[in-house]
Parts: sequence; structure tokens; C-alpha cells
Amino acid sequence: KAGVTQTPRYLIKTRGQQVTLSCSPISGHRSVSWYQQTPGQGLQFLFEYFSETQRNKGNFPGRFSGRQFSNSRSEMNVSTLELGDSALYLCASSFGPGTGDSPLHFGNGTRLTVT
Amino acid sequence: GQQVMQIPQYQHVQEGEDFTTYCNSSTTLSNIQWYKQRPGGHPVFLIQLVKSGEVKKQKRLTFQFGEAKKNSSLHITATRTTDVGTYFCAGRETSGSRLTFGEGTQLTVNP
Repeated sequence: KAGVTQTPRYLIKTRGQQVTLSCSPISGHRSVSWYQQTPGQGLQFLFEYFSETQRNKGNFPGRFSGRQFSNSRSEMNVSTLELGDSALYLCASSFGPGTGDSPLHFGNGTRLTVT
Repeated sequence: GQQVMQIPQYQHVQEGEDFTTYCNSSTTLSNIQWYKQRPGGHPVFLIQLVKSGEVKKQKRLTFQFGEAKKNSSLHITATRTTDVGTYFCAGRETSGSRLTFGEGTQLTVNP
């Protein structure tokens, strides 16, 4: 069974630009969560999608948005990039609600560098 | 909002020594999960605890969930160099709610 796939693996952007990151969950998983990881900040929750609906949202500005498609694939978008957005963005999939809080399966992440 | 705190932030041990990381939540948890992230890797699920006072073992790893379901610990007996990585706890206030991660404990094991 293929794992969670995130593309691209690395991305370099300049301030003010926008970026779209992609995540393909494990087959059969309908829930996708996004996390931002920076040194010393741990894993900061961005949002969670289930069946194309946003279920939970973290405390990030509106520049961060996401969506989920009918095939459970998800994208997140960051507009008007700032230097502080440089981080590893991790996507995680799980079976989703009603399944006993199943564990998260993480992808390898997208390393975003903003210059 | 819910906060999950982990201590220590860093731990350096000699191979063979024991290691413990502690996780404390500002609110009562429905369940708690533990993950391990190797250097350069992504978090990998280790275990989930659900019941008050629950203790689970995985070989040299022992996980505990506090009686009040507000704290948890991970203990590794006789560490090995393969135990190197960052250990995260993550808790949910209610079933189906967002998972909040602690800051993690970075473990270094000197051979």
C-alpha cells in the first residue's frame, strides 16, 4: 500500500509570491490534516479536511488555505509569502471521524524556503 | 485553547541508560498518541492510549496515561543508538477533535 505522497519535496519562493502544496493520502483514508513544522515550534496544526469539508482549523492567518477533492487528495495554498513561512509542511492522512481516532500517517513533507 | 506541553525539550544519554519524556495537557484528554520522528524523517505513529491509568509496553518502550487523563509519559529502558529522534505526544480533547502536538523531546544517544 502506497504511503502519503507530498509534492513537491522542496520549494524555494520569494516574498510576496504564492505557493500550492499537494498531498495524496493513503488509499481508503478520507481525512487529511496539514501541519507546519519549524525548529523549536514543534508541529503546528493548520487544518483538517474530511470528505471535502474543513473540520478543524488552526490559528494561522487567512493567507493559509486548503481544500480537499472528491478523491481525498488535498492541496494547501499560502499567498503573499513571508520569510516566517519557511518551514517543513507535513500532510497526514487517517481513516477519519467515526473510526476511533485512528493514527495519523505522515508524508515526507514539503520543505518551503522563502527568500 | 488546549495546550500540550512536553519536557524535557532535549535529552542526551549514554547508550544503555534509560530515558523518560513527560507530556502534560491543560485540559482532560479523550486519548493520547505518541509519535517518533527520526532526523530528516517524518513522524511515525507509535501508540495510542485511551483509558485512565492505562499502561502499554512495546519491547523496551513503556507508555502511561495518567489517572486524570491529563498527562502521559514514555519511558525507554536501556537506550540504543536506534532510539535517536524526536518523540512527540499528541492529544485530543474529545473524540474527533483536532490533535494537538506537544513540542517534542529530542533524544540523543551517545554510543
